[in-house]
Amino acid sequence: AQRVTQPEKLLSVFKGAPVELKCNYSYSGSPELFWYVQYSRQRLQLLLRHISRESIKGFTADLNKGETSFHLKKPFAQEEDSAMYYCALGGSNYKLTFGKGTLLTVNP
Amino acid sequence: DVKVTQSSRYLVKRTGEKVFLECVQDMDHENMFWYRQDPGLGLRLIYFSYDVKMKEKGDIPEGYSVSREKKERFSLILESASTNQTSMYLCASSLLGTASNTEAFFGQGTRLTVV
Repeated sequence: AQRVTQPEKLLSVFKGAPVELKCNYSYSGSPELFWYVQYSRQRLQLLLRHISRESIKGFTADLNKGETSFHLKKPFAQEEDSAMYYCALGGSNYKLTFGKGTLLTVNP
Repeated sequence: DVKVTQSSRYLVKRTGEKVFLECVQDMDHENMFWYRQDPGLGLRLIYFSYDVKMKEKGDIPEGYSVSREKKERFSLILESASTNQTSMYLCASSLLGTASNTEAFFGQGTRLTVV
C-alpha cells in the first residue's frame, strides 16, 4: 500500500520562528517524495521534490529512508508562508498519493 | 505557460443526476489525475490515467468513472450524484517520467454541490 501521513492538521508559529511540517510515508518500492503548497485562493503547486535536494523559498526537506520521513523545514518563518501544505508520494505505478495536509499559520 | 483547465468553477446538481467534470491540459502530459479535496481529509485520489484509454482506480473510485479518449482530456463522471459527493474536485496532469520531471500541475478546481 502507498500511504502518506501528516500528523498535524494545524500548525501555528510566530514570524521568525523555525517551522517543521512532518511527513511520514509507507511504500514498498523506491519512493518519490514531494511537497505541494496551496496559498489562499490559488492552485495547488509544487514546492519542492526530494530528488532535487533544493531550497525553495527557504524551505528544505530531506528524505530519510530509515525513518520513512520527508519533513519540511524552514529556519525563520515568514507571514507569507501561511498556507496549506501537502506531502505527496509518487510510485512506480504512476500513482500520486497525498497526505491530509497541514495548515500553517505564521502570526506577526 | 502551463495550463490545466477545468470546465466549471462551480456546479450545482440534483441527487441522481449524471454529472460530467471535464479537464483539459495543453502540456502533452501522459498522466492525468482526479482528486477530491475535503477539509480534514486532504486530497484523495479517485482515478488516474497514464495513457489514452487507460485508467486506474485510485483510493476512492466508488460512485465515479472516468474517460480518456484523447491525450489532453480527462473526464470524471458521477453516474448518479449523491449528496456525499459534494466536494472540491481537482484535476492534475504530469509527465510520465522520473521524479526529476514528474511535477503535477493542477487545475483551479470545481466545487460541486449536490442537492
